[in-house]
Amino acid sequence: GAVVSQHPSWVICKSGTSVKIECRSLDFQATTMFWYRQFPKQSLMLMATSNEGSKATYEQGVEKDKFLINHASLTLSTLTVTSAHPEDSSFYICSARDSPAKRRQYFGPGTRLTVL
Amino acid sequence: QQQVKQSPQSLIVQKGGISIINCAYENTAFDYFPWYQQFPGKGPALLIAIRPDVSEKKEGRFTISFNKSAKQFSLHIMDSQPGDSATYFCAASMNNDMRFGAGTRLTVKP
Repeated sequence: GAVVSQHPSWVICKSGTSVKIECRSLDFQATTMFWYRQFPKQSLMLMATSNEGSKATYEQGVEKDKFLINHASLTLSTLTVTSAHPEDSSFYICSARDSPAKRRQYFGPGTRLTVL
Repeated sequence: QQQVKQSPQSLIVQKGGISIINCAYENTAFDYFPWYQQFPGKGPALLIAIRPDVSEKKEGRFTISFNKSAKQFSLHIMDSQPGDSATYFCAASMNNDMRFGAGTRLTVKP
């Protein structure tokens, strides 16, 4: 089956620093990748959608200058949280889709970000 | 604006019982309705999904019932097992847009 990995699985950083999270599709080419944020005991909230080679489309209320998304290849998307603050602490999950015609998204295992 | 409403928030079922989780959506443009299972600290995993042209879909112990006119769909877990204890999310999707319900924390007691 299709596998999506994320790295790192958890990260702790100081307030004001930037953190990069990688999302890779291991055995398929992902035409579209999605980034979600999940706070404890809450649902997944879509942050942005990215297509390979294009600028990401951000959901309303998500700061594009704070959450930088790059989808440079069909197997890799990165999310950079710039100047992280404690309120950015969350579980970040990516997903990938292998075809625009298909609805199924394959989710990564998530990255736990803690900002001190 | 919550586009997908899910209930109950939590559910406790005895081993061997039936777990039922309900969802309702608002936007009739949604055309794909998946259910995900998530364990603590892990990403969600697809359990089963349905399209609106089908009223029911069964895969093993998991069944989705879909009522297009009522804009509701539900997940039934038959013969629930302690290993099914997890958080379940329904979702509704159209094009690149997937909206999740608030989640149901299921506990199956042995």
